[in-house]
Amino acid sequence: GESVGLHLPTLSVQEGDNSIINCAYSNSASDYFIWYKQESGKGPQFIIDIRSNMDKRQGQRVTVLLNKTVKHLSLQIAATQPGDSAVYFCAENKDTGNQFYFGTGTSLTVIP
Amino acid sequence: KAGVTQTPRYLIKTRGQQVTLSCSPISGHRSVSWYQQTPGQGLQFLFEYFSETQRNKGNFPGRFSGRQFSNSRSEMNVSTLELGDSALYLCASSLRTLDTGELFFGEGSRLTVL
Repeated sequence: GESVGLHLPTLSVQEGDNSIINCAYSNSASDYFIWYKQESGKGPQFIIDIRSNMDKRQGQRVTVLLNKTVKHLSLQIAATQPGDSAVYFCAENKDTGNQFYFGTGTSLTVIP
Repeated sequence: KAGVTQTPRYLIKTRGQQVTLSCSPISGHRSVSWYQQTPGQGLQFLFEYFSETQRNKGNFPGRFSGRQFSNSRSEMNVSTLELGDSALYLCASSLRTLDTGELFFGEGSRLTVL
C-alpha cells in the first residue's frame, strides 16, 4: 500500500539569525519536557529540558519556553550556525518511568 | 565515558523472519527504553526496562518483545517480520530511577524488511 510520510514542518534561517522552533504537546498532565536534535544518520541528541514548574530555562545558545496554559513549548536558538541544521523534536513525559511521547519534528536548515 | 551502543547498525531481513537487536547502555544507567522511528509514524515508544523488569510498554503487537540482563544490557526481538517493521530502532538509557530523566540515545539499528 501507499506509504504516507509525516509532513515535517521546515524552517530555514540565515546563519547568525535566531531560530524559534515550536511544539504543541498533547497532555496537560505532562510534567517533563525535552528538546532533542537529530542529525541525519544519528540518534537524537539531548539539547535542553524543562519541568512543568518552570516556564523558562536557558542553556548555551538555547532557551526553552513552556506555556502550560496553551500547552506550547518553544526552542530558541541564538546566533544559529550551520551545525545547527537538523531535525528538532520535542518530547513530553506524562507517566511514571521513561515513556516519552515525541512530536513530529521540525527540520531546520541554516543558510550560510 | 562510552555512549549507548547498538548492534547491529544495519540489517536486512525478509518477511516472516525474526530479528534480535542489542543495546548496551551507558555505564551505571539502569533504565533502557526502545523506540521505533519511521517516516510515517515518527518516534514511537516500544518499551522500557529497569532492573530486568519491563516497566512500561507502548502500543505495539506481541511480536515485539524485549528483555534486560543483570548488567543492564537489553535486547529486543521482533518475530514474524512484516514489511511495515522496516524502521530505525533506537535504544535510550537513563540514569534516573523512580523519577524521569534525560534519555541518552544510541545511533540506532536500521532494519529493512524485504
